[in-house]
Amino acid sequence: DIQMTQSPSTLSASVGDRVTITCRASQSISNWLAWYQQKPGKAPHLLIYKASSLESGVPSRFSGSGSGTEFTLTISSLQPDDFGTYYCQQYNLYSTFGQGTKVEIK
Amino acid sequence: EVHLLESGGGFVQPGGSLRLSCAVSGFTFTNYAMSWVRQAPGKGLEWVSGISGSGRYTSYADSVKGRFTISRDISRNTLYLQMNSLRAEDTAVYHCVKGNSSAWSGLMDVWGKGTTVTVSS
Repeated sequence: DIQMTQSPSTLSASVGDRVTITCRASQSISNWLAWYQQKPGKAPHLLIYKASSLESGVPSRFSGSGSGTEFTLTISSLQPDDFGTYYCQQYNLYSTFGQGTKVEIK
Repeated sequence: EVHLLESGGGFVQPGGSLRLSCAVSGFTFTNYAMSWVRQAPGKGLEWVSGISGSGRYTSYADSVKGRFTISRDISRNTLYLQMNSLRAEDTAVYHCVKGNSSAWSGLMDVWGKGTTVTVSS
């Protein structure tokens, strides 16, 4: 099984800050990685697929990078609506999610 | 607009069975793979099962293999998850999720709100 490890588990940042979340895979997954945002009590929402492709309708302040085993999700200027939990997901071999990163607005 | 509406969740004793349903609309059902993903209370996301657009290819997480069966009824535009031999650790919100192509790749682009399954004595 491919394990996905995210860091940090929680982060608190101010509006306008640049925020970076890291996701590491236990083996190479090429660029078969997605990022999702989930708000409390809601279903997850796809942000990024194929490591760096922005899903239609997602604000351009979200970006993804990486390949192989190391990936990052960056929010260039944090907005009040960006609170929630972010999950990475590998889909190179079946599917595995990271444990999540909770983003709080200071 | 794509809509996914899950139903069938509830309270069941360990060892029992449940069948979840997901009624879909807003897209051509046979053109897209589908998945079930669950989230235990206060926990992260866990992929459970996937099925190709044709229904010929299915896959399962090790934690449910041999106990759960995914299927789809094209005439009813409905996805199912038959869950047998349920355990306490199966307690979760189960989301129905649409894939981005007919081949099951694992990428999921639209999620349903979910239905809650509670397994307890």
